Amino acid sequence: NFMLTQPHSVSESPGKTVTISCTGSSGSIASNYVQWYQQRPGSAPTTVIYEDNQRPSGVPDRFSGSIDSSSNSASLTISGLKTEDEADYYCQSYDSSNQGVFGGGTKLTVL
Amino acid sequence: QVQLVESGGGLVKPGGSLRLSCAASGFTFSDYYMSWIRQAPGKGLEWVSYISSSGSTIYYADSVKGRFTISRDNAKNSLYLQMNSLRAEDTAVYYCARERSGSWFDPWGQGTLVTVSS
Repeated sequence: NFMLTQPHSVSESPGKTVTISCTGSSGSIASNYVQWYQQRPGSAPTTVIYEDNQRPSGVPDRFSGSIDSSSNSASLTISGLKTEDEADYYCQSYDSSNQGVFGGGTKLTVL
Repeated sequence: QVQLVESGGGLVKPGGSLRLSCAASGFTFSDYYMSWIRQAPGKGLEWVSYISSSGSTIYYADSVKGRFTISRDNAKNSLYLQMNSLRAEDTAVYYCARERSGSWFDPWGQGTLVTVSS
């Protein structure tokens, strides 16, 4: 089964840039779009990136997404980190059987 | 504004059944695919099922296939998840979400907690 693997946690200082990776287990991660969701404690997830690199309205341009086919991975980059960016981040795609797949999530600490 | 409100969660014994509902408002419900996604306490997100706008196409995660049934009533702007033969590992917050462009979920409801325990 297709799986998405994320680092368990990352940390960085305010004002810096952090990148969270999401690596596909098999096939090509570029075969289906990758999304990124932010989840703060006690809240439902919200979309920060959809269709690999698109930002929903209201999401600041400090958030960007990309795909690297050579490493079969997707990345979420957050620049100019703010304390409010501290949250869990999940990547998501679909597999060849039309089953949704989420990465295990990455806890971002801004310290 | 676009809103999704889940209901129907609660405490149920192993082997029992529960039906979740998701009431949609602020958009043309019948135009969109819809999904259920769950999150066990302290764990990550797990996709459960989706249903096409007409209800003609349905997919399930292997972990719930044969036990859960997704359905919708476009006249009532409502999405459902019938859960049978519940197990302890089904304990989770269940979210409904609208699918956009066949790939992303937005928005999500606030979730309803299902606890399976004796």
